[in-house]
Amino acid sequence: NAGVTQTPKFQVLKTGQSMTLQCAQDMNHEYMSWYRQDPGMGLRLIHYSVGAGITDQGEVPNGYNVSRSTTEDFPLRLLSAAPSQTSVYFCASSFGGNTEAFFGQGTRLTVV
Amino acid sequence: QQQVKQSPQSLIVQKGGISIINCAYENTAFDYFPWYQQFPGKGPALLIAIRPDVSEKKEGRFTISFNKSAKQFSLHIMDSQPGDSATYFCAAPDSYNTDKLIFGTGTRLQVFP
Repeated sequence: NAGVTQTPKFQVLKTGQSMTLQCAQDMNHEYMSWYRQDPGMGLRLIHYSVGAGITDQGEVPNGYNVSRSTTEDFPLRLLSAAPSQTSVYFCASSFGGNTEAFFGQGTRLTVV
Repeated sequence: QQQVKQSPQSLIVQKGGISIINCAYENTAFDYFPWYQQFPGKGPALLIAIRPDVSEKKEGRFTISFNKSAKQFSLHIMDSQPGDSATYFCAAPDSYNTDKLIFGTGTRLQVFP
């Protein structure tokens, strides 16, 4: 049982480049979410999904897109990377927004 | 938008001591207050959670105390151990959308032998 798998673990981007952070879970969870973690800021919700085909914005959605075509996968897209998006990104899944969330190992992204 | 205020930002405790971390929230549409523990280089993991039909929940050395009237909840770590050194996050559901879990800013705990 792999749980929540994020790829890649590390990434360096140039300003203006695009990329997709991958997230997959094998627990049949309906709820998936993306957070970014910055020093002193805690975990801030970027986007979340309550099921396949349904997504919604979190606290800091600007500059990020998501889609949910399957229950298992919830990719996060950066369309035009900016230095302000340098952060550690975590994907999480759960049976619901107010149940235990299982987090991936994180992706450390640096935008130069 | 729900805000969750967590304090202190960092905490240094001697082995065997008590670690106390506090959180305050503004409003909530659903009573569910979890605490997550994060070790360096890892993702957060659920440590303990309370659904406040009770004012306190204890699991081993970890206790959540909840004060609904004051809109505050706290984590107590008894007999703190060096292995407890980690960052701790409290969280609460958003005021209007219980699908959104809002996290505090985190407390870095260091326990020295």
